[in-house]
Amino acid sequence: KNQVEQSPQSLIILEGKNCTLQCNYTVSPFSNLRWYKQDTGRGPVSLTIMTFSENTKSNGRYTATLDADTKQSSLHITASQLSDSASYICVVGNAGNMLTFGGGTRLMVKP
Amino acid sequence: DTGVSQDPRHKITKRGQNVTFRCDPISEHNRLYWYRQTLGQGPEFLTYFQNEAQLEKSRLLSDRFSAERPKGSFSTLEIQRTEQGDSAMYLCASSSTSGRIYEQYFGPGTRLTVT
Repeated sequence: KNQVEQSPQSLIILEGKNCTLQCNYTVSPFSNLRWYKQDTGRGPVSLTIMTFSENTKSNGRYTATLDADTKQSSLHITASQLSDSASYICVVGNAGNMLTFGGGTRLMVKP
Repeated sequence: DTGVSQDPRHKITKRGQNVTFRCDPISEHNRLYWYRQTLGQGPEFLTYFQNEAQLEKSRLLSDRFSAERPKGSFSTLEIQRTEQGDSAMYLCASSSTSGRIYEQYFGPGTRLTVT
């Protein structure tokens, strides 16, 4: 069964600090891994998409890494801002472009 | 606004009533997806269309659920005889099939509350 597991489930950090979110997956055949940001009550918005040949990809203060051998990914947020408070969802796409979603990490950035 | 739109944004209904949601995808996108998301969880796939053809349906899509995309543009998702367990956010996404990775763009969702 295709699964995506994320940790931690929730996280509270102070504004300006860095944090790293983790994702483990068992999706076959693997095609790509995406990180989405979802604000409360809104639809998810794509942050990064990586294929198996990419180890890292950045989007501003967000940097995603992928280890296709261990089937792990991380999302690192640098110099957090209050607006980073959201759920971050790891999503894995298979060769048929069907997506399996993780349960998300709920991040709260406090002043 | 050329993004994915959904209507209504919120719907409160009594158990047993029927509800219908609409999704308007990005105009040049030929794929349209429906997902359901409960509080604190990631979205779960329900069904998707390529043009007007419904190509896959999840086992989550019971016989009370039906989706259509009659002209390959907008789509509707109908839930008949709603139950309290149907309360969730219903998300629509669209993508094109050009390129190797079909990036999905999500709408704002329709929040359904069944009382």
